[in-house]
Amino acid sequence: QQPVQSPQAVILREGEDAVINCSSSKALYSVHWYRQKHGEAPVFLMILLKGGEQKGHEKISASFNEKKQQSSLYLTASQLSYSGTYFCGTEPGYSSASKIIFGSGTRLSIRP
Amino acid sequence: EAGVTQFPSHSVIEKGQTVTLRCDPISGHDNLYWYRRVMGKEIKFLLHFVKESKQDESGMPNNRFLAERTGGTYSTLKVQPAELEDSGVYFCASSQTKTRYYNHYFYEQYFGPGTRLTVT
Repeated sequence: QQPVQSPQAVILREGEDAVINCSSSKALYSVHWYRQKHGEAPVFLMILLKGGEQKGHEKISASFNEKKQQSSLYLTASQLSYSGTYFCGTEPGYSSASKIIFGSGTRLSIRP
Repeated sequence: EAGVTQFPSHSVIEKGQTVTLRCDPISGHDNLYWYRRVMGKEIKFLLHFVKESKQDESGMPNNRFLAERTGGTYSTLKVQPAELEDSGVYFCASSQTKTRYYNHYFYEQYFGPGTRLTVT
């Protein structure tokens, strides 16, 4: 079951904050966050495994609400380099090294 | 350390022709994945190799797609014959780094830059 991301697109001015949400109708065993810049490889940002877990990467952080079956990605004081499409992904279970099922992505545009 | 590399970066072929995409994973990575992104949509899983064995090929769309990983190093994905709907960006990813959670392991996947396939 593909996770649902919202919003589909965000336009920010440099320095503004944004939140990207990822939710699933099924239990989430893990949440992966990736960022892809146009024409480049998706880049791994972080993985969250435990309910209530929070992680950070530069000024980007994420939380995982296991009960609500959702994760949120927080971008603080956005920089031009944050532009790109953000994907959340989940694994279908606790199987080893399994596939990632990605959401449809959130396109983030940062204006100077 | 070199990242995941893919060849070619772009390919334009006519419907009915054959195309072979190549992926070289990060050295030492046993897990290799193929994904595809059709324009504007999600990145969709195709299949997963562990060394030279196919672990999961549930995402392969049909038998026009053939993936191989001889010797457990690089992998090829052949599309024969290509159809218009096969157009998209094909990504390869590899993984080895593990994060342990109790008795389970989760792997970070590192993606290549993709091959943009256009079928006309």
